[in-house]
Amino acid sequence: AQSVTQLDSQVPVFEEAPVELRCNYSSSVSVYLFWYVQYPNQGLQLLLKYLSGSTLVESINGFEAEFNKSQTSFHLRKPSVHISDTAEYFCAVKSDDFGNEKLTFGTGTRLTIIP
Amino acid sequence: DGGITQSPKYLFRKEGQNVTLSCEQNLNHDAMYWYRQDPGQGLRLIYYSQIVNDFQKGDIAEGYSVSREKKESFPLTVTSAQKNPTAFYLCASRTAPYGYTFGSGTRLTVV
Repeated sequence: AQSVTQLDSQVPVFEEAPVELRCNYSSSVSVYLFWYVQYPNQGLQLLLKYLSGSTLVESINGFEAEFNKSQTSFHLRKPSVHISDTAEYFCAVKSDDFGNEKLTFGTGTRLTIIP
Repeated sequence: DGGITQSPKYLFRKEGQNVTLSCEQNLNHDAMYWYRQDPGQGLRLIYYSQIVNDFQKGDIAEGYSVSREKKESFPLTVTSAQKNPTAFYLCASRTAPYGYTFGSGTRLTVV
């Protein structure tokens, strides 16, 4: 079984300040990890993903996440946030075991940027 | 442009009625999924299909049904057996290596 924990349901941050959204996962096998962003009344957009290789992955809009196997974490960071980053962010995990098609999501973190 | 189209965007249902949510993709993806989203609960898997004419239950399949007669289409029916159907429903498809694409969602409200 696999699971994802996003401890922070809401994170308020001042504009141009750094932010970290926390994600911890649980799985008995190797995993693939994802961060998705959702704007109001819209679907999910892939922000970044870790499949293999370098543990630090980056998105085109300045976000990055680091896969830490020993701490079973995949925290999302941005050094300086913008008003347009206001959205809900979901961490997701998929276990690398044959026949497991399930992508499991955390409960989400609502990021609010304060001008 | 390739993508997933969900319709309608908003749907209202009377209690006791069945309703069908449409999901169409032109990405040539084999696997398709239906998720339900409720505030504070993230996304929960309802059904998924890896190939035409085959589908499996997810974590919360009770009160829902699906079909997969064509590769492009994966409609979801919310039946009267679903006791709390008001939610935001998201359809997704997948291509290797685990590139999931989501539709823009259907918001279902019971009136």
